[in-house]
Amino acid sequence: GENVEQHPSTLSVQEGDSAVIKCTYSDSASNYFPWYKQELGKGPQLIIDIRSNVGEKKDQRIAVTLNKTAKHFSLHITETQPEDSAVYFCAASKTGNQFYFGTGTSLTVIP
Amino acid sequence: EPEVTQTPSHQVTQMGQEVILRCVPISNHLYFYWYRQILGQKVEFLVSFYNNEISEKSEIFDDQFSVERPDGSNFTLKIRSTKLEDSAMYFCASSEAAYTDTQYFGPGTRLTVL
Repeated sequence: GENVEQHPSTLSVQEGDSAVIKCTYSDSASNYFPWYKQELGKGPQLIIDIRSNVGEKKDQRIAVTLNKTAKHFSLHITETQPEDSAVYFCAASKTGNQFYFGTGTSLTVIP
Repeated sequence: EPEVTQTPSHQVTQMGQEVILRCVPISNHLYFYWYRQILGQKVEFLVSFYNNEISEKSEIFDDQFSVERPDGSNFTLKIRSTKLEDSAMYFCASSEAAYTDTQYFGPGTRLTVL
């Protein structure tokens, strides 16, 4: 089955700096890559996703890049704010199938 | 904005007891999922459900687990005889259709087995 690795496990940045979280996947047939933000005591919330026919997608301060050849994808958060502090999970799936999640990155934005 | 809801938020049970976790998916969604997250670990897929039957399940989803859509709005996960290692956060998710991919997660039920 699919194996998703995520790095780093923890990340601290100063407010206003950028944060980058990286994931790799093993199954070349995976074609959908969502990113979820999980705040304490809450369920994962989708923040951005990308499909395998696209190399990059941006939504305001958040962007995701995908390198299908290398089988890795990354989340970029620019101009970080304290409210960006949370655990971020990447995931990979083939259309219609289960999600395989990474191990999560705990992001702390220091005011 | 429509959201997935789950009840209870926290369930404490004795080992060997049966528990039922309840979810109300987003109303026009057709695909339903259960995931679990053991404290400090990654979110793990348990089962997906479509058209009143299981479409996919993981090796975690053994005979102790079952799912049901008892009516037009609820989606339940039953654990027949809970074990200590079943203690985890259980998330329900739903998606409009498999091809749309996007799964929306509920807030979770924390299950504690004593």
